[in-house]
Amino acid sequence: AQTVTQSQPEMSVQEAETVTLSCTYDTSENNYYLFWYKQPPSRQMILVIRQEAYKQQNATENRFSVNFQKAAKSFSLKISDSQLGDTAMYFCAFMKWGRNYGGSQGNLIFGKGTKLSVKP
Amino acid sequence: NAGVTQTPKFRVLKTGQSMTLLCAQDMNHEYMYWYRQDPGMGLRLIHYSVGEGTTAKGEVPDGYNVSRLKKQNFLLGLESAAPSQTSVYFCASSYIQGKGGTDTQYFGPGTRLTVL
Repeated sequence: AQTVTQSQPEMSVQEAETVTLSCTYDTSENNYYLFWYKQPPSRQMILVIRQEAYKQQNATENRFSVNFQKAAKSFSLKISDSQLGDTAMYFCAFMKWGRNYGGSQGNLIFGKGTKLSVKP
Repeated sequence: NAGVTQTPKFRVLKTGQSMTLLCAQDMNHEYMYWYRQDPGMGLRLIHYSVGEGTTAKGEVPDGYNVSRLKKQNFLLGLESAAPSQTSVYFCASSYIQGKGGTDTQYFGPGTRLTVL
């Protein structure tokens, strides 16, 4: 069974600084996806970034980037130039990939989250 | 294009009452999911559906039933609510892996359910 661990329950950062959120996972699968979702106080789950395990290049989306270390099973999220609007819970999630879709491959396995506070 | 919507947004039940949560998506997604989120936890999968007329159990299915009579709708039912079912419920939808779209799951705004 897959597990996702986020070891930092809470973090804080000053506005305009950079912060890195950690995520590790455990799986015997070779093909999978990894995601970071953001959940602001509004409760809406918002996709921040995704990474396909077969891609060596780390994904980036504007101020958000990941450091994907497949061998170490590590998937950290770096937020550059932090903004007040980045204050939220951040969830790391894992999803298996398989061509014979119809089973549980598409199910997301979530970590427990990291509460990020951006201070002015 | 409303994306994924959930009805209702809030609900309070008494122990033993029943209710149905409705999820609707207008993105023509094949797959739909129901998750619950408890304090200090990530989301956990209750049930999911890989297409109209199909459903399957997730990680925490006990006490819930689901139906997918139409492709765009996924209903979550609680037949006899218990305080342990107090939670925030999220619906999500996605394309079939490898057949269009990005396989990313898109979430609804959530339903906060309290069972007294």
